Amino acid sequence: AQTVTQSQPEMSVQEAETVTLSCTYDTSENNYYLFWYKQPPSRQMILVIRQEAYKQQNATENRFSVNFQKAAKSFSLKISDSQLGDTAMYFCAFMNPGGGADGLTFGKGTHLIIQP
Amino acid sequence: DGGITQSPKYLFRKEGQNVTLSCEQNLNHDAMYWYRQDPGQGLRLIYYSQIVNDFQKGDIAEGYSVSREKKESFPLTVTSAQKNPTAFYLCASSIRTTVSQQYFGPGTRLTVT
Repeated sequence: AQTVTQSQPEMSVQEAETVTLSCTYDTSENNYYLFWYKQPPSRQMILVIRQEAYKQQNATENRFSVNFQKAAKSFSLKISDSQLGDTAMYFCAFMNPGGGADGLTFGKGTHLIIQP
Repeated sequence: DGGITQSPKYLFRKEGQNVTLSCEQNLNHDAMYWYRQDPGQGLRLIYYSQIVNDFQKGDIAEGYSVSREKKESFPLTVTSAQKNPTAFYLCASSIRTTVSQQYFGPGTRLTVT
């Protein structure tokens, strides 16, 4: 079974700063997908970014980018020029597409607070 | 507007009663999922369905049941056998179970007293 670990329960930074959220995972699979989801106070889960394990290039979506280290099983999320609207819970998630389709495995989340 | 709807947003029940949470999608997605979220926890998979009339248990299926009679609908019943039913429940769907993004509904907060 896969596990996903987010070691930072809460982080707080000033607006416009850059912040990095960490995520490590454990799997014996070679082909898989990793995701970062954002859950604002409304509790709606929003996909931030996704990474295919077979791609060496790190995914980027505007101010959001990842540092994917496959050998180290690490998948950190960097938020540049942070904004007040980035305040939310952030969840790292893992999917094994060939493993019987059992949904996403989530970490416990990091509560990110952007201070004005 | 395409999307996933869950109703109601808040649900209250007495202990010992079964309760059914609704999840409907008009995205024409084959796969649907139910997750449970507790404070300080990530989401945990309850059940998933790859296709109509088929569903599989997830990590925490005990005390729950589902049906998938229509592609658009995947209701979750929380039975009286579920020991700690109070939680936030999220429904999701995807084009197919592999290699695709899951889209989430707005969730239902269930409180059992």
